[in-house]
Amino acid sequence: AQKVTQAQTEISVVEKEDVTLDCVYETRDTTYYLFWYKQPPSGELVFLIRRNSFDEQNEISGRYSWNFQKSTSSFNFTITASQVVDSAVYFCALSLYTGANSKLTFGKGITLSVRP
Amino acid sequence: KAGVTQTPRYLIKTRGQQVTLSCSPISGHRSVSWYQQTPGQGLQFLFEYFSETQRNKGNFPGRFSGRQFSNSRSEMNVSTLELGDSALYLCASSSGRDTGELFFGEGSRLTVL
Repeated sequence: AQKVTQAQTEISVVEKEDVTLDCVYETRDTTYYLFWYKQPPSGELVFLIRRNSFDEQNEISGRYSWNFQKSTSSFNFTITASQVVDSAVYFCALSLYTGANSKLTFGKGITLSVRP
Repeated sequence: KAGVTQTPRYLIKTRGQQVTLSCSPISGHRSVSWYQQTPGQGLQFLFEYFSETQRNKGNFPGRFSGRQFSNSRSEMNVSTLELGDSALYLCASSSGRDTGELFFGEGSRLTVL
């Protein structure tokens, strides 16, 4: 069975602060995918990133960066110089690497509030 | 490119009734999956349909069912509604060839009284 833990439930920062969202996962599989999704107040989840278990390279995309560490089963997400528009619920998720599938195991989510 | 469309957006039902939710995926996408989101359980996978066949199923009772039509549109049905079925039901579409890069609709919010 797979499990994703997002220990932080709510984070509040002031605009321009950096913020890191933590994600720890559990799986007995050696090959898997990890994801981050964002859910704004409108409700739809927005895909941010996918990493496969073979690739532990960190990734940076604009103000977003991701740190994948297999040794600690963590896939943390950092927003640099946060903005009010970053306010949303952020979900970390895990999926098996067995062919194309849409079955994701999500964490409970972290509500991020960025104050002006 | 039009996004994923879910109807209805909001609905209220009473215990024992049944409900049907609809999802129109992004044009060209052949996979539609459904998720239930509640404050207590979070986001949980219900099932996935690809080319009119159920490809994957989560751990939900048989009261939850779905289908997909030849135009890739999908419906999910919940029979004999219970209070605990109150949730946001999210539909996601994808090409079906890539794992996890899902495009979600805004959801159908079901309230069971």
